[in-house]
Amino acid sequence: QSALTQPASVSGSPGQSITISCTGTSSDVGGYNYVSWYQQHPGKAPKLMIYDVSNRPSGVSNRFSGSKSGNTASLTISGLQAEDEADYYCSSYTSSSYVFGTGTKVTVL
Amino acid sequence: QVTLKESGPVLVKPTETLTLTCTVSGFSLSNARMGVSWIRQPPGKALEWLAHIFSNDEKSYSTSLKSRLTISKDTSKSQVVLTMTNMDPVDTATYYCARIVTFRNWFDPWGQGTLVTVSS
Repeated sequence: QSALTQPASVSGSPGQSITISCTGTSSDVGGYNYVSWYQQHPGKAPKLMIYDVSNRPSGVSNRFSGSKSGNTASLTISGLQAEDEADYYCSSYTSSSYVFGTGTKVTVL
Repeated sequence: QVTLKESGPVLVKPTETLTLTCTVSGFSLSNARMGVSWIRQPPGKALEWLAHIFSNDEKSYSTSLKSRLTISKDTSKSQVVLTMTNMDPVDTATYYCARIVTFRNWFDPWGQGTLVTVSS
């Protein structure tokens, strides 16, 4: 199972919006509405930010939103803040297993 | 409060077998639909899903590592154990366990992770 493809890095200024893409195939991202997104600060464990493509867990800021079109899912962070600087990973269910994305480093300029 | 904590050796030698334990609290491994996944992350690299086990003992493994992995659980101890045979330096990584629930295809929460280095 190949990793999902994400851009290596995305940057934005405080207050701006950025979007991270996550491209897979019809066997994973395109085949199920089971895409999740994780935020990971340096030296910390990943934290769930979005599940089932577009749902936010309790406690996650509404500045984070998710969507999907075909084989590509996206995470949008609006009103970018310094605390959003971190690595972000997507994940998709795929036939009794899971696959993660290659990861995106978000930099707040 | 749901928590998970990984434990195991910090250093293993090439060709040895790694045994990692995930101890959970705040939920029971005997509760219907509850499960635990193992995920690893080599230094500076991406996350990689390894395996999961559910309360009904349903198991699944990464296709690329299936021949080397075994996952099991001890409900009475609230523990999930992952063994990986024939360790190699490329297996050096932080190993995480995370809760997963049947029909909920996401990982939440995660343990703090444990760094395993493979070196002679």
